[in-house]
This record gives sequence, structure tokens and C-alpha cells, in this order.
Amino acid sequence: QQQVKQSPQSLIVQKGGIPIINCAYENTAFDYFPWYQQFPGKGPALLIAIRPDVSEKKEGRFTISFNKSAKQFSLHIMDSQPGDSATYFCAASMSGSQGNLIFGKGTKLSVKP
Amino acid sequence: GAGVSQSPSNKVTEKGKDVELRCDPISGHTALYWYRQSLGQGLEFLIYFQGNSAPDKSGLPSDRFSAERTGGSVSTLTIQRTQQEDSAVYLCASSLSGISETQYFGPGTRLLVL
Repeated sequence: QQQVKQSPQSLIVQKGGIPIINCAYENTAFDYFPWYQQFPGKGPALLIAIRPDVSEKKEGRFTISFNKSAKQFSLHIMDSQPGDSATYFCAASMSGSQGNLIFGKGTKLSVKP
Repeated sequence: GAGVSQSPSNKVTEKGKDVELRCDPISGHTALYWYRQSLGQGLEFLIYFQGNSAPDKSGLPSDRFSAERTGGSVSTLTIQRTQQEDSAVYLCASSLSGISETQYFGPGTRLLVL
């Protein structure tokens, strides 16, 4: 049973566009929702994270929107650049647990010049 | 300071052989995680170490997989009698403590079982 469902699997946008990646979770005990960015041949790196006490968090061009009642959260990338081309993973964890992250299957983003 | 390092970066082995993968976490990080990333899949949790506590092995897919962490620092993931389905990228991550959710990942070891 997949606890974090991520869509789309792949996404192509033009430079300057706003790609949106969506994730849905099932376990209401999750209380930490990070997004990781992974470039080919590299390990994932934390991009931005949110907790359910806020509905939106913005860091630079990256914004997380969180809908607790719908158990959904999404990543928006403003003014996307070719350098943003990477695979993006959403994840979730419970602070009361050992902290291991439950990951979505990833979205491969390609930003065309 | 240095990030999480893993070795080897690539490993090709024959089916049935044993392999050892190494992870050096960030100095001072007490929590260490192993994940497996298969092609087109997300990251699958394997095992978690926190300080001197007994490891959480709940994610290990079979008894062919084992891991240890010596001196609360370096960790080794061992896969015995490798199978082709073990081919994947094995990622190690560390965090300051088990409570701190920011996990810092190494570059991974790409394992190919022929």
C-alpha cells in the first residue's frame, strides 16, 4: 500500500512556466512533509518542507501548498529555469516515529529553454 | 564540512555473490538511514540507526540484507547471495538526531547484479 502518491510522473514546461507537482497521503499521523530535489548521479537534497499548521510556505521560487482536510500538498516552482530540471520527490514522516521518510515515486521535471 | 560519503560509487557483481556498501555520515550526526532507489521508483526505507539504540530493521526486504554501524559512525550494508532484483541505487542519509527530520543524503552506490 503506497502511503504517499505523487503525480505527474513526468512534466515538461517552458522556461518561465510554473510546474506544479502534487502529492496525496493517507496517514493522518504524518506531520512533516519535505520535498527533495535530485539531479542525475546525485543523492536527493532537501528543497523545502512544511508542517500541517500552515497552509503555505515559500522559499525563493519554491512554494509548498498544503491542504490538511484533503490530505494533499503540492510544490510550485515559479519562473522555472532549465537548471531546475531534476527529479522531485515528496515525502512524509511522523515526528513521533524514528523519522524515516515515506517517499512518493518522484516527478521528472524538464524545463525547456 | 564534508557531507555524507558512500563507497563504492558503482558496484557490478555476479548473482549469488555478497556485497558490502559503506556509508560515512556527517560528523556528529547520530541518526543514519539506508534507502533503496529502484529505477522509476521512489526511495524505499531499509534500516535506521540512532545512537547506541537497537536499529530499526523493519524495512529490510529479506534476511539476505543486514547492516551494522560501528562506533556510532560508519555503517556497512551487506547483501548476501545477491539477486538481479537487488540491482538499484543504495542511498545513505544522516541527520543530527532522530528527532531532526532534515536528512542529508550521500551520492549513493549504484549496484548492478548480473
